[in-house]
Order: sequence, then structure tokens, then C-alpha cells
Amino acid sequence: AQKVTQAQTEISVVEKEDVTLDCVYETRDTTYYLFWYKQPPSGELVFLIRRNSFDEQNEISGRYSWNFQKSTSSFNFTITASQVVDSAVYFCALSGAEGAQKLVFGQGTRLTINP
Amino acid sequence: DAGVIQSPRHEVTEMGQEVTLRCKPISGHDYLFWYRQTMMRGLELLIYFNNNVPIDDSGMPEDRFSAKMPNASFSTLKIQPSEPRDSAVYFCASSFPGDFWDYNEQFFGPGTRLTVL
Repeated sequence: AQKVTQAQTEISVVEKEDVTLDCVYETRDTTYYLFWYKQPPSGELVFLIRRNSFDEQNEISGRYSWNFQKSTSSFNFTITASQVVDSAVYFCALSGAEGAQKLVFGQGTRLTINP
Repeated sequence: DAGVIQSPRHEVTEMGQEVTLRCKPISGHDYLFWYRQTMMRGLELLIYFNNNVPIDDSGMPEDRFSAKMPNASFSTLKIQPSEPRDSAVYFCASSFPGDFWDYNEQFFGPGTRLTVL
């Protein structure tokens, strides 16, 4: 069975601090995808990134960066110089042999950025 | 372009009543997903369709739940009879065409907050 664990239920930091959201996954599949989604206070989920299991390169997009390490089954997300608008619930998710479309989500991390 | 449209946005009903949630996917998308979000269970995939055909309904909790997609622009999720434990936010999402191993971004609707008294 596939599983995603986001051990940090809530994180609160002051604006401009860097913050890392942890994601650990479990799967027996050799081919799989990992994702991050953001759920702002408005409610709908917004796609941030996808990574497949064969691509361990880290990725940077503006203030966002992702670190994928197969050796530790982790796909961590870092926000640099956080801003109040980054406040949201962030979900890590996994899909595997049952099809790329079928996502298993972690429980989410509620991130609060205080001014 | 309009995003995924869900109706109603809020629904309050009494135990035993039938509830129908509606979704209009983004035009041109051929995958449609229904999710449920609760504090206890988090975000769960209930069922998804490809080209109006249900592909995987293993997440549907029980026979009281049913979903249909009569055409490419409309889907319903029905609960009959509803129970208090069905209270949750139900999301619909859609994505572009792709093969079994293609993952295209899922675009989520605003959700329907269902309360069953």
C-alpha cells in the first residue's frame, strides 16, 4: 500500500524566514510520481509541482524549492523568504502503479506566516 | 476561462435525505475526479472518470454513494441516504487528456461543504 506522511501538522514562522515542509512516502512501485499541492484559505487545491521517480534533480521555482531523495524516501519543500501570502495548507501526494492519476495525499501541513 | 464549477457550495441536510453534488469540469478536460476532505481522514479520492467512463471507484465508501458522468461537461455525486458521518468538503477536479502514465495537473473546484444533521 502507498502512504504519504507529513509529520508536521502545523508550522508557524515570521515573515522572511525560510521554512521546510517535510514529506516521507512509502511505495513498493519502482515507477511513481510525487506532488505538492497548496490549499489557500479560499479552499481549492492548487498544483505546485510533479516529480517522477527517475528524476532526483532538485527543482527551484522562485522562492520555492524541492528536494527529492529516494534514499530516504523524502520529497521536502522549502519556501525561502516566506511571505504572508504563503500561508496555506500544503499537501504532499503520491501516485504509482495503479495509475498516475490516482493520488494518495498526506495529511497536510498548515503553514502560517506571521507579519 | 472558467475553472471547475461545483454546486451547491454549501449544503445542509438532515440524516436520511438524498444529496446530489454537481460538477462541471473545464472544457477539453477528459479526466474528472471526486475527492472528499475531512479532518479525520484527510483528502481521499472517491472515484475518477476518463472520457465519461468510471475508471476507479475503489474509494467510494459504500453503496450509499454513487457517481455518474452522463456527458463530458457534467458529473454528479449522489449520497442516498445521507448520514452525519458524510459531512465533509467534496471536491471535484479535472485534468487534460493523457495516457495511463501521463500525469497532467488536476484543477480543483472550490468544493461543496456538506453538513448532514
